[in-house]
Amino acid sequence: GAVVSQHPSWVICKSGTSVKIECRSLDFQATTMFWYRQFPKQSLMLMATSNEGSKATYEQGVEKDKFLINHASLTLSTLTVTSAHPEDSSFYICSAELGLAGEQFFGPGTRLTVL
Amino acid sequence: GEDVEQSLFLSVREGDSSVINCTYTDSSSTYLYWYKQEPGAGLQLLTYIFSNMDMKQDQRLTVLLNKKDKHLSLRIADTQTGDSAIYFCAESSGTGGFKTIFGAGTRLFVKA
Repeated sequence: GAVVSQHPSWVICKSGTSVKIECRSLDFQATTMFWYRQFPKQSLMLMATSNEGSKATYEQGVEKDKFLINHASLTLSTLTVTSAHPEDSSFYICSAELGLAGEQFFGPGTRLTVL
Repeated sequence: GEDVEQSLFLSVREGDSSVINCTYTDSSSTYLYWYKQEPGAGLQLLTYIFSNMDMKQDQRLTVLLNKKDKHLSLRIADTQTGDSAIYFCAESSGTGGFKTIFGAGTRLFVKA
């Protein structure tokens, strides 16, 4: 149980285009999902907290107009990187919170490369 | 702000025990976690401990918490090559959307 999927697993796009990443909880409902960014050999950087039915809470320094988050249902949150640029290239990971101890179950990640 | 620190690298021989250490600064930490990340994958929750516990054991994994010193450790008994990965220590003050603060990760290398 507690499986989280992400789609796509990797994507290559041209500079200036937008990319949508989906995060799904497959066998449970997730009121709260998180979006992280991870640079090579570095820890996770929390980008935003996504709550079903309400606006996402963005961390300081994360542009909400550039990284659009929509948590439309209890099993799906999406992250759209708008007008992507090479500096947006990174590994994006989502997680869903489940359990009495706030455990997070992570998706497998999406490798974004912007040319 | 809150911070979680851990050593970046650990190398052990197959069959030995591995001990990964972590310190944190948030005195209101309620939950402490250990996650494992294999190359090119997301994180996998290994175990967690409540702040009112000193120890938790789960098969080959033993978590020790010294709340006074804000020190957390993960011991892996009989370490195998399949245990090679990055291990992240993390803490949270609550559930329901509370932020989880992650350490930078300890890369465990197991030599055959």
